[in-house]
Amino acid sequence: AQKITQTQPGMFVQEKEAVTLDCTYDTSDQSYGLFWYKQPSSGEMIFLIYQGSYDEQNATEGRYSLNFQKARKSANLVISASQLGDSAMYFCATAVSRTSYGKLTFGQGTILTVHP
Amino acid sequence: GAGVSQSPSNKVTEKGKDVELRCDPISGHTALYWYRQSLGQGLEFLIYFQGNSAPDKSGLPSDRFSAERTGGSVSTLTIQRTQQEDSAVYLCASRRDAGTPNEKLFFGSGTQLSVL
Repeated sequence: AQKITQTQPGMFVQEKEAVTLDCTYDTSDQSYGLFWYKQPSSGEMIFLIYQGSYDEQNATEGRYSLNFQKARKSANLVISASQLGDSAMYFCATAVSRTSYGKLTFGQGTILTVHP
Repeated sequence: GAGVSQSPSNKVTEKGKDVELRCDPISGHTALYWYRQSLGQGLEFLIYFQGNSAPDKSGLPSDRFSAERTGGSVSTLTIQRTQQEDSAVYLCASRRDAGTPNEKLFFGSGTQLSVL
């Protein structure tokens, strides 16, 4: 079974600053994917970024980057130049190749608040 | 439509009644997933479909829960003899296929189920 741990229930950041949201994972599978999703107050889940277990470079998508440290089983999300619209719940998730990459195991989430 | 559509958006029912929740995935997406989001349990996988088949039903909490998918499109999640602990947001998601690692998983806005 897979497990995702997000140790920060809430985080605060000043607008235009960078913020790191922590995520550690536990899996015995060698082939897996790591995902980050954003859930604003409207409730929709929005895909942010994906990192494959065999990818050697950290994934980046615009202002989002994933700090992947495989040996430490860590997949932290870095948001650069925070915006007010980044205020939301953020979920880290994993999926393994032997099942389906859409079958996600989620962490408990981190609420990010961006201050003006 | 352009996105994953779920209906109803809200459902209030009495304990012991049956409910049906509907999901219309993005056209052409062969893989469809049901998740449940509750305060106590977080985000949990329930079941997924590849085409009309359900290779993984491991997340269904009890035999009161069932789901089907017809025509490789619309899916219905049925909860029989609802209980108060079934109250949650039920989220549907779809992706082009189940196996490609970095395919995005698109979520619907969910059905908020309240069992009185």
